[in-house]
Order: sequence, then C-alpha cells, then structure tokens
Amino acid sequence: GQQVMQIPQYQHVQEGEDFTTYCNSSTTLSNIQWYKQRPGGHPVFLIQLVKSGEVKKQKRLTFQFGEAKKNSSLHITATQTTDVGTYFCRLNQAGTALIFGKGTTLSVSS
Amino acid sequence: GAGVSQSPSNKVTEKGKDVELRCDPISGHTALYWYRQSLGQGLEFLIYFQGNSAPDKSGLPSDRFSAERTGGSVSTLTIQRTQQEDSAVYLCASSYASAQETQYFGPGTRLLVL
Repeated sequence: GQQVMQIPQYQHVQEGEDFTTYCNSSTTLSNIQWYKQRPGGHPVFLIQLVKSGEVKKQKRLTFQFGEAKKNSSLHITATQTTDVGTYFCRLNQAGTALIFGKGTTLSVSS
Repeated sequence: GAGVSQSPSNKVTEKGKDVELRCDPISGHTALYWYRQSLGQGLEFLIYFQGNSAPDKSGLPSDRFSAERTGGSVSTLTIQRTQQEDSAVYLCASSYASAQETQYFGPGTRLLVL
C-alpha cells in the first residue's frame, strides 16, 4: 500500500531561524495538501500543490512539490512564535484511502 | 452552518459503555470524514462518506466502531463497549464534493475512557 514519511517528527528552533518539514511518498501523487494544527486546535488547510515542480508562497511559508510528484516540502523563513504547531501533509492519489503524514511538530523559543 | 461542528466537545465514560459522537458538516458538503487522533499523534483515518455511495469503512479499527450519515448531512460515530485505548480526540471533517478537495475540520470530541 501507499506509504508516507514525514520528517522530522519534532523540531525546535529559536525565533528567527528557518524551518523545513519534508513529506515523502512511495508512489506518485495526484496532489498534496498541507495542514497546520495549533496546540489544542484542529487541522486547518494551508495549501494544495498539483503540478510537478510547483512552488507556492504564503508570506514566510514556501511550499514545493517535487518533479516526480512523490515528495513535498514546507519551508518557513524566520520563524515566529505564531508558527508553533504541527504541520501535516495529506496525500491524494486516485483510488486510495485518505492518508495524512504523522506530522512535524514545531516549537519556537523567543 | 459557518463551519463543521461536533458534539459533545468532551466525553468521559466508563470502560464498557457505549458512546455516540455527532458531527454536523458544512452545509452543502457531500463528503464527510472521521479521524482519530491520540495524544501527540497523527490523524488516523476511520471512515469516509461520499454522497449516496457506500461509505469507505476501511479505517475502522474494530467492529465496535460504526458510523452513520442520515439524510446526507449529520453523522454519528458510535463506539460500543468502549476500551481505555479508545481514548483520543475524534475529529470530523467535510469537503464540498470529493476526497481530493480541501477538508474542513471540526473542533473534535475529546473522549476519555476510564
């Protein structure tokens, strides 16, 4: 079956440092979505990537979809305390069950 | 409604009791999902309803778990003979038409089985 690996599981940074989380699939994807879950909250949709090699930006967040559509990354530039939370990738492949990565939990100290 | 709502927000029950968790999806959304999230863990898919199609039950962990969606709107997740390992946050989400689209999550029900 389809496998997904999201790394790292945890990341602690000092405020102002950069952060990156990676999501890797064993199979080619139709698209990939990223969600953020604040502590004590529920997942909230951030973005969807569809095209091979696609890059999208939301302020300090940069999302990339690999050329082979098997991996993706989320990069945060100059982290702030408001970036704290768990970031999940969600894989979409036609005909498969809904799969979320296990998430990367980011903590930021000021 | 404005968003996905779930009730109750918290539920404490004794081992062996049955519980029912409710989800009201966003009005007009035909797809509805249930997930389970244990403390500090990821999202575990449980069941997926799409319109009038037979639900995808492939994620239900045991036959103690079941879910219904009446009238294509409200859904109820039932856990029979609860066990301590059922303690978790149960999240419901909905999307407009298909599993390929953005999912909107409810606030979840925190279930504690004593």
